[in-house]
Amino acid sequence: GIQVEQSPPDLILQEGANSTLRCNFSDSVNNLQWFHQNPWGQLINLFYIPSGTKQNGRLSATTVATERYSLLYISSSQTTDSGVYFCAVEYTLVFGKGTKLTVNP
Amino acid sequence: GAGVSQTPSNKVTEKGKYVELRCDPISGHTALYWYRQSLGQGPEFLIYFQGTGAADDSGLPNDRFFAVRPEGSVSTLKIQRTERGDSAVYLCASSLSGGANTEAFFGQGTRLTVV
Repeated sequence: GIQVEQSPPDLILQEGANSTLRCNFSDSVNNLQWFHQNPWGQLINLFYIPSGTKQNGRLSATTVATERYSLLYISSSQTTDSGVYFCAVEYTLVFGKGTKLTVNP
Repeated sequence: GAGVSQTPSNKVTEKGKYVELRCDPISGHTALYWYRQSLGQGPEFLIYFQGTGAADDSGLPNDRFFAVRPEGSVSTLKIQRTERGDSAVYLCASSLSGGANTEAFFGQGTRLTVV
């Protein structure tokens, strides 16, 4: 089956810093979502982005389907951005292992 | 409803017992998914319903796990003869139409602990 790899596994930032999270996948996909799992375990939808670029406030995402990767950009990070960020692909949502982000005040 | 609702939020059961976990999807969503998440891991796909039927149950780990969606709305995940290794957070998601080109939304999960 399709493999999803996320990097880095862990990321520690100071408040106000910018970051880039990466998601690589092993085959072509027609569905890709980014989620933020908050400390209470809730998976929050960030982007539905099988291709192209989208922006929502301080967050933006780009998927280059032909090269099998997607990037999530977080600008001017805040402590509330802390949590685990997941990329998931395909209609059954095959998840990567996530990137654990910690933003310190 | 406004979002995907899962009950109970927490369930503690003894090894060998039977449990049922409930998922109420977003109103009008025809596709429903179940996942299992162990500590430190990403959610793992279990089963996908399109309407009342299981369109893909390839993620169910063994025959102790079963899920139903009799009226195409609420779904129940059933686990027989629970084992300590079944302890995890069970997540449910729904989407408007399923398949490709569809965005899924998750409930808050049920934390199952088998003692």
